[in-house]
Amino acid sequence: ETGVTQSPTHLIKTRGQQVTLRCSSQSGHNTVSWYQQALGQGPQFIFQYYREEENGRGNFPPRFSGLQFPNYSSELNVNALELDDSALYLCASSPWDSQETQYFGPGTRLLVL
Amino acid sequence: GENVEQHPSTLSVQEGDSAVIKCTYSDSASNYFPWYKQELGKGPQLIIDIRSNVGEKKDQRIAVTLNKTAKHFSLHITETQPEDSAVYFCALNSGYSTLTFGKGTMLLVSP
Repeated sequence: ETGVTQSPTHLIKTRGQQVTLRCSSQSGHNTVSWYQQALGQGPQFIFQYYREEENGRGNFPPRFSGLQFPNYSSELNVNALELDDSALYLCASSPWDSQETQYFGPGTRLLVL
Repeated sequence: GENVEQHPSTLSVQEGDSAVIKCTYSDSASNYFPWYKQELGKGPQLIIDIRSNVGEKKDQRIAVTLNKTAKHFSLHITETQPEDSAVYFCALNSGYSTLTFGKGTMLLVSP
């Protein structure tokens, strides 16, 4: 059974640029959630996708957007990057009948200069 | 939104001792309480979870207890080993299937 995978592992961007992060869900899971984890903090919920639709959103501005594809993989897009966007971005997948039971990938470390 | 208080923020124990981490919450609608272990440079790993219809769950050296009346739940690790050293996060569901996390506890197990 393949776990959650994310790419890239690390990324450096400059303020104002745009970034796309990718996630492949665990086999058999059709729900994907994205979290932002600042250094020394717990993960914070960004949004969740189920059946290619946004299924809940946390307290993040509209410049954070996402997509889910028919194969359940997902993208997180962040426009107009700010210095405070520097963080570990985590993707978690879960089965449709237990969406709160979430399994995380290794994350993408984003540094905004 | 939901707030989760996690204590202590750091915990140092000797190998073989027990470790206990406690979380308190305010939303009585939460009914799912997972615990995650995060090692340096890795994503959080689900180690145990409990639902509100039970008071305790055990898996080998780790156990979780839940007191819904008092709104707190705890992680218990017995016979700690150096490889248990990591940051541990409690979480709970808020808004159906989204998770709210505590700020984490850094556990250091010394040989």
